Amino acid sequence: TQLLEQSPQFLSIQEGENLTVYCNSSSVFSSLQWYRQEPGEGPVLLVTVVTGGEVKKLKRLTFQFGDARKDSSLHITAAQPGDTGLYLCAGVHNYGGSQGNLIFGKGTKLSVKP
Amino acid sequence: KAGVTQTPRYLIKTRGQQVTLSCSPISGHRSVSWYQQTPGQGLQFLFEYFSETQRNKGNFPGRFSGRQFSNSRSEMNVSTLELGDSALYLCASSLELAGGPFASEQFFGPGTRLTVL
Repeated sequence: TQLLEQSPQFLSIQEGENLTVYCNSSSVFSSLQWYRQEPGEGPVLLVTVVTGGEVKKLKRLTFQFGDARKDSSLHITAAQPGDTGLYLCAGVHNYGGSQGNLIFGKGTKLSVKP
Repeated sequence: KAGVTQTPRYLIKTRGQQVTLSCSPISGHRSVSWYQQTPGQGLQFLFEYFSETQRNKGNFPGRFSGRQFSNSRSEMNVSTLELGDSALYLCASSLELAGGPFASEQFFGPGTRLTVL
């Protein structure tokens, strides 16, 4: 069973702090997706990274795909209370359909206090 | 474009009963996947339907089943409910444009919160 390990599981910080969450696996992924889920809602896609070493920025969020495509990180600069939520990474093993190839990590629960 | 809708949003059942959950995907999306989310296990894949056919299935017992209609709407059914079936059930649709890295991006509905007493 291929697993995606996310760390830390929980993170509680003050507004304005920076943070990084990690998504690691022993498997190589074709691409990797990051989602954010707020309480009572479904996950919302933030970004998809495809190429080893790729860096994508979404305002204060920076996503990086490891060179070997086995790991990824999400860095948030100057966190705000609106960033609070569960951050999920999901690895894709191959293309061409079949969502069974999408493996989700258990997530990092982030709480940003004002 | 309207997002993925799921009904009902909340459901309370007792052990042994059965339940049917409904999902309407984003217009034009042909792939519909179902997931179970619990605090302990996280998000676990149940099954995926594409053009009315089950294309893939996760490691869940046969009590969990689903189907997809010609308009891409999907239902999932859980029979003989157990306490451990209490969870948030999420439906997601994706565009599936002939594969590629963005084909499997999931658009999730708000989920159905099932409580089994």
